[in-house]
Amino acid sequence: EIVLTQSPGTLSLSPGERATLSCRASQTVDRSNLAWYQQKPGHAPRLLIYGASNRATGIPDRFSGSGSGTDFTLTISRLEPEDFAVYYCQQYGNSLYSFGQGTQLEIK
Amino acid sequence: QGQLVQSGPEVKKPGASVKVSCKASGTSITNSMHWVRQAPGHGLEWMGRVGASGGSSSSTQKFHGRVSMVRDPSTGTFYMYLNSLRSEDTAVYYCARGTALRAFDIWGQGTMVIVSS
Repeated sequence: EIVLTQSPGTLSLSPGERATLSCRASQTVDRSNLAWYQQKPGHAPRLLIYGASNRATGIPDRFSGSGSGTDFTLTISRLEPEDFAVYYCQQYGNSLYSFGQGTQLEIK
Repeated sequence: QGQLVQSGPEVKKPGASVKVSCKASGTSITNSMHWVRQAPGHGLEWMGRVGASGGSSSSTQKFHGRVSMVRDPSTGTFYMYLNSLRSEDTAVYYCARGTALRAFDIWGQGTMVIVSS
């Protein structure tokens, strides 16, 4: 099973700042099989990025994904108040799916 | 884009079984349906998947023998059965539509399952 480790656990930033979230895999992940989700309290996760760098339908262009191999990044260029939430990366490999433990993005 | 509508909350005793349903509305399932759970205050945990036609399913080793994921062909509703419940199974259970690119693009609203004596 591929283990995803996200960092930092908590990120404290202000609206307007840039956020950089990291996701590291224990084995190489095909970048086409790496996705990012946003989850707000009491709600289901929402798909942001698939295939490591493709924005899902309706996702603003301030969200971008990059990376390959074992290191992937989600960047939010200018934080809006509604962006403060928990973010998860997710991968598919060896016929199994797994999620990272999440990064809490909080208002500073 | 459509939605996935899940069944309501459940309270079960240890050792019992639970059935959670998930039905697509305004969209179709052409690839696979997945089940993901989230314990209170914790992250997301992928449980397993069933093919769009219900013909094949797989789950993580953690749930082998305890979970069953099926599709009712007469209604198109997907079901997740979890047996031998224990307190650690207390969680919100989500169904999520799988895509060809191995992501989950539509999620159900979640079903809270509480296991308590």
